[in-house]
Amino acid sequence: QKEVEQNSGPLSVPEGAIASLNCTYSDRGSQSFFWYRQYSGKSPELIMFIYSNGDKEDGRFTAQLNKASQYVSLLIRDSQPSDSATYLCAVLGDSGYALNFGKGTSLLVTP
Amino acid sequence: ETGVTQTPRHLVMGMTNKKSLKCEQHLGHNAMYWYKQSAKKPLELMFVYNFKEQTENNSVPSRFSPECPNSSHLFLHLHTLQPEDSALYLCASSQVETGEIGQFFGPGTRLTVL
Repeated sequence: QKEVEQNSGPLSVPEGAIASLNCTYSDRGSQSFFWYRQYSGKSPELIMFIYSNGDKEDGRFTAQLNKASQYVSLLIRDSQPSDSATYLCAVLGDSGYALNFGKGTSLLVTP
Repeated sequence: ETGVTQTPRHLVMGMTNKKSLKCEQHLGHNAMYWYKQSAKKPLELMFVYNFKEQTENNSVPSRFSPECPNSSHLFLHLHTLQPEDSALYLCASSQVETGEIGQFFGPGTRLTVL
């Protein structure tokens, strides 16, 4: 089982700041990583995925991989109150299609 | 809309009732999943189906019985549930051959057991 660890938070950042969310994973051979956003009472929504070959930027979101230290980061630039949610990190499991999820980090963006 | 639908969206049932949750995916995927998410707790993977075959059952009590008649439909049959089974039940789907692009979740069924 590929373990995925996240700090539960809450992480509080002021509006307009950069929010930095981290996730560590146990299997050095992991190749695919995912970030989901989950608003309270809603289902998780896939916002980004990256592979072991590099970082990825999509609008205000950047996902970065540090293979040496086995962690994945999600940076949210110009944070907005609407970004307040729980962010779930996931790693592709041994099956090649099922994901192993972390417990999520709660982000609060204050106006 | 992710292309994964779930019905009903809300369900209240007594401990002696029998009910079923339904999930349908319109994405052409061939793997489907049931997750349970209790209040302020992380996702718990319950069952995994790959091409209609159950490949994972994470020590789920027998009062939960999954059924996958085809790659597009997934059911969760419920009977003699306990109040602690009250939770958000999420269905997800993905493509086995391209698992690296992730899973897509339905909106969930909010279950309350009285």
